[in-house]
Amino acid sequence: GEDVEQSLFLSVREGDSSVINCTYTDSSSTYLYWYKQEPGAGLQLLTYIFSNMDMKQDQRLTVLLNKKDKHLSLRIADTQTGDSAIYFCAERTGTASKLTFGTGTRLQVTL
Amino acid sequence: KAGVTQTPRYLIKTRGQQVTLSCSPISGHRSVSWYQQTPGQGLQFLFEYFSETQRNKGNFPGRFSGRQFSNSRSEMNVSTLELGDSALYLCASSLQGENSPLHFGNGTRLTVT
Repeated sequence: GEDVEQSLFLSVREGDSSVINCTYTDSSSTYLYWYKQEPGAGLQLLTYIFSNMDMKQDQRLTVLLNKKDKHLSLRIADTQTGDSAIYFCAERTGTASKLTFGTGTRLQVTL
Repeated sequence: KAGVTQTPRYLIKTRGQQVTLSCSPISGHRSVSWYQQTPGQGLQFLFEYFSETQRNKGNFPGRFSGRQFSNSRSEMNVSTLELGDSALYLCASSLQGENSPLHFGNGTRLTVT
């Protein structure tokens, strides 16, 4: 079955790196996504990775995928106050547009 | 290019009423899917439409329905509203294919009183 888990809360200081973790159970996942949600807004696509990749870097964002352990992480370098939001990981299986989302990790950036 | 547009942004309805939400996908995107977000259940998949056909459906009662028009715009309808239907309803669009990510709109906040 499909199940995606995330820790609920992460607090970091401005300028530090943030690492948000996610575990999933469906070994047939094809793509894994990271979305950001700010208060009162929808989901903003941050980045995504194909399941046969180990790493993807996009400016301040680095995604690491350990397929053996079904573990996904998002690293945000030089975290800013504007990065404060809820971050969701999601897995996709097959060609359908059905995503299974994690519970979301609330990132708090302190000065 | 304009993003996914959802209307209205906010709705207040009474139990027993019905409601229709609208979604305009990104130009060129033919797949539209709908999600419900609540504090208790998180983000849950409702259904997906492609070329005016429902391609996939989540575990929601038959009170939840949708359709897609020839211009790819989509509507979802909820009949006989219940208090538990209060949620943020998110629409997402994508190109065809598993390597096309989903782009979400800002959602419609539905409150049922």
